[in-house]
Amino acid sequence: DTAVSQTPKYLVTQMGNDKSIKCEQNLGHDTMYWYKQDSKKFLKIMFSYNNKELIINETVPNRFSPKSPDKAHLNLHINSLELGDSAVYFCASSQVRLNSPLHFGNGTRLTVT
Amino acid sequence: TQLLEQSPQFLSIQEGENLTVYCNSSSVFSSLQWYRQEPGEGPVLLVTVVTGGEVKKLKRLTFQFGDARKDSSLHITAAQPGDTGLYLCAGVGSGSEKLVFGKGTKLTVNP
Repeated sequence: DTAVSQTPKYLVTQMGNDKSIKCEQNLGHDTMYWYKQDSKKFLKIMFSYNNKELIINETVPNRFSPKSPDKAHLNLHINSLELGDSAVYFCASSQVRLNSPLHFGNGTRLTVT
Repeated sequence: TQLLEQSPQFLSIQEGENLTVYCNSSSVFSSLQWYRQEPGEGPVLLVTVVTGGEVKKLKRLTFQFGDARKDSSLHITAAQPGDTGLYLCAGVGSGSEKLVFGKGTKLTVNP
């Protein structure tokens, strides 16, 4: 009965490859997010979707493209991976857009070699 | 950009001690949330404070929101090894839709 699940848990790949991370929530929430946590544990928002509509798009390279086929899913595709993309990527969801608590997945640790 | 500064960055204490961690900003926040993150997992919400001066208690944890809604504190009484983790504060600034996180306080409680 996992609330927010993301796959894979670990992803090791070489520079220049393209990879995807999938996220699904079964909480019935309207809003989903992608956050990036760097090696110093700083969590920074990348994207937010509300009912499949992109509402937040931070200064993220064009190589990162989110896709929301429906409001329960938000996937992240990364093209031409670079060493600096290595981090833990967290998917999250919330009931409404403002001031709602976030429910996080357990993260995907991406290592680019 | 509304920034949240957390202090201390690292804290290592013995079981049974009390501690306070702080979350400060020069900006006003409409609400502040506190999360705890354990290794290999995502952050988990502990509490949300909304009203200036508000105090909320969660067992041995006491959360306070500053009167001016620019700062918050988390006090833990009689810390236990199970309290070990990364404590993150996060806030939504006035007029913003983004939840901004502080850099966290890594707490280690030694038995």
